[in-house]
Amino acid sequence: DSGVTQTPKHLITATGQRVTLRCSPRSGDLSVYWYQQSLDQGLQFLIQYYNGEERAKGNILERFSAQQFPDLHSELNLSSLELGDSALYFCASSVAPNRGVAKNIQYFGAGTRLSVL
Amino acid sequence: AQKITQTQPGMFVQEKEAVTLDCTYDTSDPSYGLFWYKQPSSGEMIFLIYQGSYDQQNATEGRYSLNFQKARKSANLVISASQLGDSAMYFCAMREAGGYNKLIFGAGTRLAVHP
Repeated sequence: DSGVTQTPKHLITATGQRVTLRCSPRSGDLSVYWYQQSLDQGLQFLIQYYNGEERAKGNILERFSAQQFPDLHSELNLSSLELGDSALYFCASSVAPNRGVAKNIQYFGAGTRLSVL
Repeated sequence: AQKITQTQPGMFVQEKEAVTLDCTYDTSDPSYGLFWYKQPSSGEMIFLIYQGSYDQQNATEGRYSLNFQKARKSANLVISASQLGDSAMYFCAMREAGGYNKLIFGAGTRLAVHP
């Protein structure tokens, strides 16, 4: 068990809908990352938050947004869902990452499998 | 641009044998970290081992070791004494110290351990 909790484990919804994925980081971790794993794109970094603030953005669509709350849990909001958004969404957490330090192990949750029908 | 390449889509190994999963990388940052993760069929991503670009020794964690060849930009994962539970997808990833904190992943290698 990595200590990172993601809910729900599975989500089935229809095109055009909006869903919220939730992540609780490991105790003591201030940084949260979201990744998308799909068959055609592989594992792609979406966005990172550190202590409530957005730190880095990757290939995240404008229809997607995220936030990190004062208790450090994070939510990823996906709206106007399309069939192509079906994927496994991972949250990972780490201790405070320092620019210039390569070792920053990210521990992953079990993922939320999203199916858009 | 940073890139990770895993050229073996699938590998198989006999139980109790050793297996090497290949990973090559490309980066212009002299300081970087290399990571291996395991993804069983249940889906979770499990951290296995880390190697820093300035580490003098190859990393080892139990049955996992990393064959790090910096000049060749390769970081191959060696699993010794394979077990049936090692059957999974294995991903190589990299993080540049000078950049943001994202991990760049390779396409993965599916390992099947046969009894």
